[in-house]
Amino acid sequence: GQQVMQIPQYQHVQEGEDFTTYCNSSTTLSNIQWYKQRPGGHPVFLIQLVKSGEVKKQKRLTFQFGEAKKNSSLHITATQTTDVGTYFCAGESGGGADGLTFGKGTHLIIQP
Amino acid sequence: GAVVSQHPSWVICKSGTSVKIECRSLDFQATTMFWYRQFPKQSLMLMATSNEGSKATYEQGVEKDKFLINHASLTLSTLTVTSAHPEDSSFYICSARPRPEAFFGQGTRLTVV
Repeated sequence: GQQVMQIPQYQHVQEGEDFTTYCNSSTTLSNIQWYKQRPGGHPVFLIQLVKSGEVKKQKRLTFQFGEAKKNSSLHITATQTTDVGTYFCAGESGGGADGLTFGKGTHLIIQP
Repeated sequence: GAVVSQHPSWVICKSGTSVKIECRSLDFQATTMFWYRQFPKQSLMLMATSNEGSKATYEQGVEKDKFLINHASLTLSTLTVTSAHPEDSSFYICSARPRPEAFFGQGTRLTVV
């Protein structure tokens, strides 16, 4: 079945440093989504990427979808304490009501 | 955005008892809902897909007789953990996808003592 690998599992950064998490799928994806889960909370949708090579930005967050639609990355510039949490990528191979396949997530820990 | 409400947010039960968790879509109808389990510092593991008016589809390795799912209406899906044991202690989250993105309930932290 479809697998979505995500690295790193943990990332410690000093406040103000940049942060990147990477996702790689075993199969070509129709789209990839990114979610953020704050400690003790539930995942919240950040963005969806659909097109090959797509790049989207949300303030300090930059999302990329690979040309082959099998990998993706999330980059945060100049991290802030509010960025703390776990970032999950979630891939989908078909279009429809199938469940998303989530990566294991990257836990971002920020030291002031 | 779409709202998914999950109840209870936490529950403590004795070993051997059953616990029911409710997942409601508040402002949309959901023919399909998803149930996940999450261990501390771990990812979301899809347990089953709940289908309104028909049987749920369980992922490999998930005991359907232990985790009973009922989706009797377009706004409510329930997960019942039957004869709970300490190893069932976990964070259970439901979600629905009225749009391409998933909307999650608040989650239920189950502790079996």
